[in-house]
Amino acid sequence: AQRVTQPEKLLSVFKGAPVELKCNYSYSGSPELFWYVQYSRQRLQLLLRHISRESIKGFTADLNKGETSFHLKKPFAQEEDSAMYYCALYTGRRALTFGSGTRLQVQP
Amino acid sequence: DTAVSQTPKYLVTQMGNDKSIKCEQNLGHDTMYWYKQDSKKFLKIMFSYNNKELIINETVPNRFSPKSPDKAHLNLHINSLELGDSAVYFCASSPQGGARNQPQHFGDGTRLSIL
Repeated sequence: AQRVTQPEKLLSVFKGAPVELKCNYSYSGSPELFWYVQYSRQRLQLLLRHISRESIKGFTADLNKGETSFHLKKPFAQEEDSAMYYCALYTGRRALTFGSGTRLQVQP
Repeated sequence: DTAVSQTPKYLVTQMGNDKSIKCEQNLGHDTMYWYKQDSKKFLKIMFSYNNKELIINETVPNRFSPKSPDKAHLNLHINSLELGDSAVYFCASSPQGGARNQPQHFGDGTRLSIL
């Protein structure tokens, strides 16, 4: 069965520190992974997807099939990065399986 | 312009009541979804519809009945509300029949509280 695991409920860092939000997945097929972000009082929105291999707002994520991971990274955290981050896996049934989310708190 | 809009934003009601949440998208997408976010912020798919046709029904009690009058609307009706139904319900949509690589666009969510 497909599963997405985000082991950290809360990650607290200081401004300017590097950030890594962990995501591991379990899926027998070819994975399609996304990161979604939910800022305070805003809707869930797409941050990036692995197929695009892009950097959005300084964030990057690399799919590692050997380790079945898709960790989200940013070299220097900003206060405006504080939000709830969800890793999601497309399972080929026209829906996403989400992880439980990690709250990132960037302190000044 | 709001792409995916849900009404109401907040819904407080008593156990045993019947309520509906409406969702509309103006993106021209074919596929719409309902997700439930519980108190621990865990998001789980409930239903998906593609062009008014039910695609996914994820072991949701039959007290929950989605209705899609057209591909731009997907409403959620809940009968005999229970305490465990308290959650935030998110509507979403995506293009091309929900194909892979297509991001989903979410509404603001409806916070349902059962007294």
